[in-house]
Amino acid sequence: QVHLVQSGPEVKKPGTSVKVSCKASGFPFISSTVQWVRQARGQRLEWMGLIAVASGNINLAQKFQRNVSFNRDVSTGTASMELRSLTSDDTAVYYCAADAGRGYLLYWGQGTLVTVSS
Amino acid sequence: DIVMTQTPLSLPVTPGEPASISCRSSQSLFDSANGNTYVDWYLQKPGQSPQLLIYMLSYRASGVPDRFSGSGSGTDFTLKISRVEAEDVGVYYCMQRIDFPSTFGQGTKVEIK
Repeated sequence: QVHLVQSGPEVKKPGTSVKVSCKASGFPFISSTVQWVRQARGQRLEWMGLIAVASGNINLAQKFQRNVSFNRDVSTGTASMELRSLTSDDTAVYYCAADAGRGYLLYWGQGTLVTVSS
Repeated sequence: DIVMTQTPLSLPVTPGEPASISCRSSQSLFDSANGNTYVDWYLQKPGQSPQLLIYMLSYRASGVPDRFSGSGSGTDFTLKISRVEAEDVGVYYCMQRIDFPSTFGQGTKVEIK
């Protein structure tokens, strides 16, 4: 059975950082890209970027290139996303999704709510 | 960035009736090198993560009922539901991935009349 399990909700102060993890099981993680998508309340889905699990290659949307980093650990089947210099605009649900090598977002995590508030 | 524009944004539907959602991209999503069109459709049911419905224009994902179909070409795409069921309520998104960054439409909220 396929699972993408994300870490729990976070409340952070402006200017700090947050790390969201995403643990995969039940599908070929190493053949995948893990992609990160966020959704602010009432807003459309916003693609942040991806990491290719096998190579570690990263592609980030331009707006996130200065304050977002991705990582992955093949041995544990885990991917992570770190968002730095948080502002209230970063308050959103963050999703990881995996493509199992097919390009489209086949498997999704349950989402992690990140709230940025002073 | 490629802009994806969906219409309508809200779609009240009657169970058993058909429904249609349009999506237009600011650039062609057709790759002449391989003949693929890189538009996918996702459904986000209330309180849930998005789920894949249609990939590469017209291929239904595993487990997706055959009342869902995707069509179109170039820059104009359509998701059709032949007979809407109560479980189909939620927000439908088109997404392009022919070019980075991938981008989503605004979403179309389907609700039962």
